[in-house]
Amino acid sequence: SQQGEEDPQALSIQEGENATMNCSYKTSINNLQWYRQNSGRGLVHLILIRSNEREKHSGRLRVTLDTSKKSSSLLITASRAADTASYFCATEGTYKYIFGTGTRLKVLA
Amino acid sequence: NAGVTQTPKFQVLKTGQSMTLQCAQDMNHNSMYWYRQDPGMGLRLIYYSASEGTTDKGEVPNGYNVSRLNKREFSLRLESAAPSQTSVYFCASTPGTSGRDEQFFGPGTRLTVL
Repeated sequence: SQQGEEDPQALSIQEGENATMNCSYKTSINNLQWYRQNSGRGLVHLILIRSNEREKHSGRLRVTLDTSKKSSSLLITASRAADTASYFCATEGTYKYIFGTGTRLKVLA
Repeated sequence: NAGVTQTPKFQVLKTGQSMTLQCAQDMNHNSMYWYRQDPGMGLRLIYYSASEGTTDKGEVPNGYNVSRLNKREFSLRLESAAPSQTSVYFCASTPGTSGRDEQFFGPGTRLTVL
């Protein structure tokens, strides 16, 4: 019953590079959220983008939403070792929000 | 503000034992949620409470019960634990009742059932 699916499953980059991860979903949504989870911790909300928005920025984060393709992307610019975490998109489903399986990002110093 | 707190942080149970996971939030949020996270998977919703006095099943409710004790507290009970319930459990809360708000998560409870 997955609604959001992230791609790639894992990503390893050098510090200073940009990281892009994608989320695809199946049904129409009102908004889409991105969360970060550091190892062994709870999820932390990063950004919410509404269905009538195409792009949103928050610090080094840039989120885009293409409702025609039912997809969203999260771009982290100038990545840092502290960005190492798993990133999840969350979309609306039958049971409130449905989380994808996540992208594991590793930023090498 | 402590945000969302969960107790215990770790727990080991034997098959058939029961236990209650506690969750509390101090943000005056209306809705609260229980999720489980298994390795390599996203979060799956067990139960949620849109407002004080109401609870509803999520995607994977079997083997669990919940109680919304008051606006602050939402507990999850395993009546007869099974190895398949080995997981990390997260509690979350949202300000509104629509299920479309930003969710605030607790630190999680790591449960092992032997």
